[in-house]
Amino acid sequence: GAGVSQSPRYKVAKRGQDVALRCDPISGHVSLFWYQQALGQGPEFLTYFQNEAQLDKSGLPSDRFFAERPEGSVSTLKIQRTQQEDSAVYLCASSPQQRSSNQPQHFGDGTRLSIL
Amino acid sequence: QKEVEQNSGPLSVPEGAIASLNCTYSDRGSQSFFWYRQYSGKSPELIMSIYSNGDKEDGRFTAQLNKASQYVSLLIRDSQPSDSATYLCAVNGVTGNQFYFGTGTSLTVIP
Repeated sequence: GAGVSQSPRYKVAKRGQDVALRCDPISGHVSLFWYQQALGQGPEFLTYFQNEAQLDKSGLPSDRFFAERPEGSVSTLKIQRTQQEDSAVYLCASSPQQRSSNQPQHFGDGTRLSIL
Repeated sequence: QKEVEQNSGPLSVPEGAIASLNCTYSDRGSQSFFWYRQYSGKSPELIMSIYSNGDKEDGRFTAQLNKASQYVSLLIRDSQPSDSATYLCAVNGVTGNQFYFGTGTSLTVIP
């Protein structure tokens, strides 16, 4: 497809388990963002990649959260030792160029993570 | 204080009316402003972008920006039931690579 693809769409894990969420951005898009959206809230910025470089990770809530984009295309968000407060929808977005401030972002459908 | 503030609503308007959605932001250095529409269980989709003071029109949608007042709004003319959704205001951060979203305004258009 032509859009941002995220998998899985739904993930249920027990507290303490590790999870990995995948994002396939639009082909050729340089910038990639991860957001966390809690129920009834707007997306909260987690981290930003320009190609394979993680230029901003200031939004990651703890050192249990780790993101990578090793070849500058697909990205993975990993959450270790999950906690119930990690339950949210995780959105990935991409935009075409490296100067992203004036460019709209194209969002995937998200991964809904539920921690039991 | 959150970076971006929106009235969470819900906002209800009759079909055919004008819906007015408002957003204020705290960072005077912000340069880019976006309105996204999000249907329940779906991802945000871009409605409008605006970068300079004044109005920008696209079909039934008009975005308005006032940087002096740190205020951005979205008007939806001839509202349709299909416009019923949550509308998110997004503003770029100081670095230009961060985007701050409001909590969204829930709009219901009543047939």
